[in-house]
Amino acid sequence: GAVVSQHPSRVICKSGTSVKIECRSLDFQATTMFWYRQFPKQSLMLMATSNEGSKATYEQGVEKDKFLINHASLTLSTLTVTSAHPEDSSFYICSAGGTEGEAFFGQGTRLTVV
Amino acid sequence: AQSVTQLDSQVPVFEEAPVELRCNYSSSVSVYLFWYVQYPNQGLQLLLKYLSGSTLVESINGFEAEFNKSQTSFHLRKPSVHISDTAEYFCAVRGYSSASKIIFGSGTRLSIRP
Repeated sequence: GAVVSQHPSRVICKSGTSVKIECRSLDFQATTMFWYRQFPKQSLMLMATSNEGSKATYEQGVEKDKFLINHASLTLSTLTVTSAHPEDSSFYICSAGGTEGEAFFGQGTRLTVV
Repeated sequence: AQSVTQLDSQVPVFEEAPVELRCNYSSSVSVYLFWYVQYPNQGLQLLLKYLSGSTLVESINGFEAEFNKSQTSFHLRKPSVHISDTAEYFCAVRGYSSASKIIFGSGTRLSIRP
């Protein structure tokens, strides 16, 4: 199957700073990518849909100014958590679609805000 | 709109015993159906998918799932589990459009006892 690479896998940052997470489709082009957040022992919560060359579409309740998404090329989408706070600590996962409806997921990023 | 229900949050079984993880869905349109597996601190891996055709789909590691349209179910089964199958399993659906969101169930934690 297709490969989606997410970087970094783990990041610790101080409260008030910003953190950027990258999601790359390595062997295919992705006009649409998705960003999820996962709390411990829970399912994935869709945060936003990243669209190449246009603005991201955010789910209800997700702060656009806090979670900045940029999809500047067909193989790269980035999620920037701005002015991070401890409550932003979570597991963030990106995905990109395959040709048969399935999604391929990155390895996830464990964000810890101290 | 679609929804996915995984009734069992945890399923403990003994090694080499059979297991069934239940998944029911609702949708007003036709959907693709998926099972994903998540190991600790990792992203999701596609286990198997149903797109069309034969209602019984199999994975390379012995899992199988059967699409039952009348019961709107897509239960996952394995005749004999191994310790290495310990993980979180997510059932998911997605509409046919490439921009459709994937809707996940709440997940089932499969724990294998020796």
